Amino acid sequence: NAGVMQNPRHLVRRRGQEARLRCSPMKGHSHVYWYRQLPEEGLKFMVYLQKENIIDESGMPKERFSAEFPKEGPSILRIQQVVRGDSAAYFCASSPPGEPQHFGDGTRLSIL
Amino acid sequence: GESVGLHLPTLSVQEGDNSIINCAYSNSASDYFIWYKQESGKGPQFIIDIRSNMDKRQGQRVTVLLNKTVKHLSLQIAATQPGDSAVYFCAENARSNDYKLSFGAGTTVTVRA
Repeated sequence: NAGVMQNPRHLVRRRGQEARLRCSPMKGHSHVYWYRQLPEEGLKFMVYLQKENIIDESGMPKERFSAEFPKEGPSILRIQQVVRGDSAAYFCASSPPGEPQHFGDGTRLSIL
Repeated sequence: GESVGLHLPTLSVQEGDNSIINCAYSNSASDYFIWYKQESGKGPQFIIDIRSNMDKRQGQRVTVLLNKTVKHLSLQIAATQPGDSAVYFCAENARSNDYKLSFGAGTTVTVRA
């Protein structure tokens, strides 16, 4: 069984560009979560989605960040007009309802 | 407010010895706790979990202890191996919002040969 798949693994963007991070949950998992990790820190919750619905986006910055989990295809975390402070590792997790979250290996975003 | 923290940022342990990693939490509403292991360049890997109606749970070479009175959680690793070298995070959430994991800062475990 494939685990949570994230791509790209590494992404470099210049300030002002857009970053798109993709996450394919484990087969059979209907819940997707995005977290951000700064160096030598724990993960910080960003958003929780189910198919076609954003359930909780309380951890998302109010501007420039958006997330979706369409009926078909992967979940997308989109960051518009990136700034240096967006540099971090972004992790996606998935789970069935009420079960532990399983994480992908993340996308390392670097902003030049 | 909510916070989950680790007592020590680093732990060095001799191969074959037992490891104990500690975690404190402050949210009294927390009722579900998970330990994750994160190796360099990878995502957190689920190790073991425990609910607040238990005070101990055992897995393969790992034991989690929960002391709700002092809001303390620990992970014990028996016969530590070189492959156990990683950063260990405790995470918690509450039944009221059981999707939102709060992570501590992590403990780096280094196993000496």
